[in-house]
Amino acid sequence: GAVVSQHPSRVICKSGTSVKIECRSLDFQATTMFWYRQFPKQSLMLMATSNEGSKATYEQGVEKDKFLINHASLTLSTLTVTSAHPEDSSFYICSARDEEGGLQSYTQYFGPGTRLTVL
Amino acid sequence: GQNIDQPTEMTATEGAIVQINCTYQTSGFNGLFWYQQHAGEAPTFLSYNVLDGLEEKGRFSSFLSRSKGYSYLLLKELQMKDSASYLCAVRGSIKAAGNKLTFGGGTRVLVKP
Repeated sequence: GAVVSQHPSRVICKSGTSVKIECRSLDFQATTMFWYRQFPKQSLMLMATSNEGSKATYEQGVEKDKFLINHASLTLSTLTVTSAHPEDSSFYICSARDEEGGLQSYTQYFGPGTRLTVL
Repeated sequence: GQNIDQPTEMTATEGAIVQINCTYQTSGFNGLFWYQQHAGEAPTFLSYNVLDGLEEKGRFSSFLSRSKGYSYLLLKELQMKDSASYLCAVRGSIKAAGNKLTFGGGTRVLVKP
């Protein structure tokens, strides 16, 4: 299957600092990437859809000024958690859409995730 | 809106078979996915169904009935490494749901010796 990388895998930061997480599709181009957050023993919650060359689409309740998304190329999307606080501590997972089979039948592949701990 | 239900936990014995059910009510339907997720790791793709019927892939099979809004994932010859969470995800239609995936809460499967 397709490979999606994510960096860093773990990050610990102080409250008030900003953290950038990178997501790359390694062997396919992805015009659309997704950012999810997952709390322990819970399912994935979609935060936003990242669109190459245009603004991200945020889900209801997600602050766009706090979670900045930049999809600068067909293989890279970044999520910046600005002014992080302890309640932002979570497992952040990106996903990229492989649309080779067409928009109706794409498969979505996930990165390995980033464990963020805000002290 | 999207609503996807699956059992929270299941326990099975090594070598046995386990069936994980998933029912859904969604805004349009454009395919159903099953993912496996080990603790602390990202989900990995297992299967995809868009037409009714059974898709078999080695020890894993997935079934879909669109009229019933129902799918199941069948795990055969269970191994200890199959202990994980299994996520059912439905892709909505482009018009109604932006072609996005909505995930169920996941089913934690514990395989015992």
